[in-house]
Amino acid sequence: SQTIHQWPATLVQPVGSPLSLECTVEGTSNPNLYWYRQAAGRGLQLLFYSVGIGQISSEVPQNLSASRPQDRQFILSSKKLLLSDSGFYLCAWMDTNTEAFFGQGTRLTVV
Amino acid sequence: DAKTTQPTSMDCAEGRAANLPCNHSTISGNEYVYWYRQIHSQGPQYIIHGLKNNETNEMASLIITEDRKSSTLILPHATLRDTAVYYCIVISNSNYQLIWGAGTKLIIKP
Repeated sequence: SQTIHQWPATLVQPVGSPLSLECTVEGTSNPNLYWYRQAAGRGLQLLFYSVGIGQISSEVPQNLSASRPQDRQFILSSKKLLLSDSGFYLCAWMDTNTEAFFGQGTRLTVV
Repeated sequence: DAKTTQPTSMDCAEGRAANLPCNHSTISGNEYVYWYRQIHSQGPQYIIHGLKNNETNEMASLIITEDRKSSTLILPHATLRDTAVYYCIVISNSNYQLIWGAGTKLIIKP
């Protein structure tokens, strides 16, 4: 069966520090992968999506970046975090059957 | 921009049917209507999806209008645990962007 792993679940980082959030999927190949951010009380904001290894599309200009080094691995990064980067980050994948599956999310607090 | 519009919030009495509307007037012929819900600080949970026929599963029913420009998610007997934000989105296998709206905050009241 398909599963998605996202870690860590919570993270507290100082301003200016780097960030690396990892997401891996199992039980499927060549999925479309997504990173979302959700601010408190708001909907999901699409940050990045990837349709294949090394293929990244950015939806929102920011100081975050994404990479897909392997077919089932999607990484969200930042060189220097800002206070405004705090939020709830979700990784998702979609297969050819069009259903989207979500990780359990990472609660990031930048202090 | 999201391709769906939903009311910001709704209330429903426990035990009654909750009917959540969604407009998707620009939906394409190859796009499915999907419903998800998100309980606070968790990943969205799949509920149901459909193309043009009405669908029913153990969680809910989905009614899609004949012109496919709108749909309604029905929770037949709402419980307090159904309190969540409900998202209606349209998805196709070429809709790589997978953009979501703000959803409807459904509050079930005892």
